Amino acid sequence: NAGVTQTPKFQVLKTGQSMTLQCAQDMNHNSMYWYRQDPGMGLRLIYYSASEGTTDKGEVPNGYNVSRLNKREFSLRLESAAPSQTSVYFCASRSLNYAPSYEQYFGPGTRLTVT
Amino acid sequence: QKEVEQNSGPLSVPEGAIASLNCTYSDRGSQSFFWYRQYSGKSPELIMSIYSNGDKEDGRFTAQLNKASQYVSLLIRDSQPSDSATYLCAVNMGGTGAGSYQLTFGKGTKLSVIP
Repeated sequence: NAGVTQTPKFQVLKTGQSMTLQCAQDMNHNSMYWYRQDPGMGLRLIYYSASEGTTDKGEVPNGYNVSRLNKREFSLRLESAAPSQTSVYFCASRSLNYAPSYEQYFGPGTRLTVT
Repeated sequence: QKEVEQNSGPLSVPEGAIASLNCTYSDRGSQSFFWYRQYSGKSPELIMSIYSNGDKEDGRFTAQLNKASQYVSLLIRDSQPSDSATYLCAVNMGGTGAGSYQLTFGKGTKLSVIP
């Protein structure tokens, strides 16, 4: 049981390049999330998927797109990377089957640098 | 705007002492409360969840919730150098709306346990 996995662990992009961050969970969780974490800003929600087939914007969605490929996988795409997107990106998942438990479990993160 | 406030620290305590971490939240309808520990360069790790007023103990950790005062705290007894990390408070509003799927995070309190 690997929990939440993310690939890649590190990435360097040039301004204008595109890339997709991958996330998968093996806990049969319904909801999945993408956050970014910047010094002094805390964790900020980019997009989330409440359940398979749905996605919604979070606090900072501009410049990103997401795909909930199936129940296990949730990807984050940067179409044209900008230096402001340099950050650490975390994927998380949460089960809806154990309310009122709304615990989220995080993946190991992707450190992205855009030059 | 939902807000979660924490003192940024650093909070320094000697080894063996009690570390007390505090968090206030703005949304009176909040129902679920979480403490995450984040070591430098790592992802947030869930250490405590609390849903009802009062205390919840798990090993050396005690979470305290006072919904009337909109206040949640984390006590770490017999603090160890390995407890040195940033502690994130997170709050979920619950219910059935879009907010029920989201956690709002504080910016974290950095704890340093001095040997």
